[in-house]
Amino acid sequence: AQSVAQPEDQVNVAEGNPLTVKCTYSVSGNPYLFWYVQYPNRGLQFLLKYITGDNLVKGSYGFEAEFNKSQTSFHLKKPSALVSDSALYFCAQGGYNKLIFGAGTRLAVHP
Amino acid sequence: EAEVAQSPRYKITEKSQAVAFWCDPISGHATLYWYRQILGQGPELLVQFQDESVVDDSQLPKDRFSAERLKGVDSTLKIQPAELGDSAMYLCASSSRLASLGGEQYFGPGTRLTVT
Repeated sequence: AQSVAQPEDQVNVAEGNPLTVKCTYSVSGNPYLFWYVQYPNRGLQFLLKYITGDNLVKGSYGFEAEFNKSQTSFHLKKPSALVSDSALYFCAQGGYNKLIFGAGTRLAVHP
Repeated sequence: EAEVAQSPRYKITEKSQAVAFWCDPISGHATLYWYRQILGQGPELLVQFQDESVVDDSQLPKDRFSAERLKGVDSTLKIQPAELGDSAMYLCASSSRLASLGGEQYFGPGTRLTVT
């Protein structure tokens, strides 16, 4: 069965420092991978997706993600974190007809 | 920018009562999803519609939950009777393409349900 793992419950970063939020996916053909962000009491906002092609995907708000097939990973990155980036981040994999979500990683950016 | 609309945003109900949630997807999106998100967890799919037809309701507790999308546009999710364990955020999403074809989903703000 397909599954998505986000190994860190929380990531703490100082403002201005680079950030990485980790995600690994289950191997099942060519994966379609997504990152979403959720602010308190809000729905999920789409950040970026990997379908095929370049392993480095650029998305909204300066975020990017690196697809690594050999490590079955799709880590979310940003070169310089902002306090306003503090939120809950979800990695997801496109299954047969639905998204399979990870448990989420809370990102806390400190001033 | 088009958005997915949901109402109500918050709902408090007593157990054994009936409750209903409404969702209006982005115009033109044929696929509509209802997810349940328990605090501290990722969303889990309850039901998926393609136009007015149910594509996947394998995770929908059919003894108490029902969903419809009669005209293939807006949708209603109902719980009757509500149980304490139903307390969660209920999210609606829509997309123009299936996730298996690389289509991203757009989410509404959700309905926070509290069952007392």
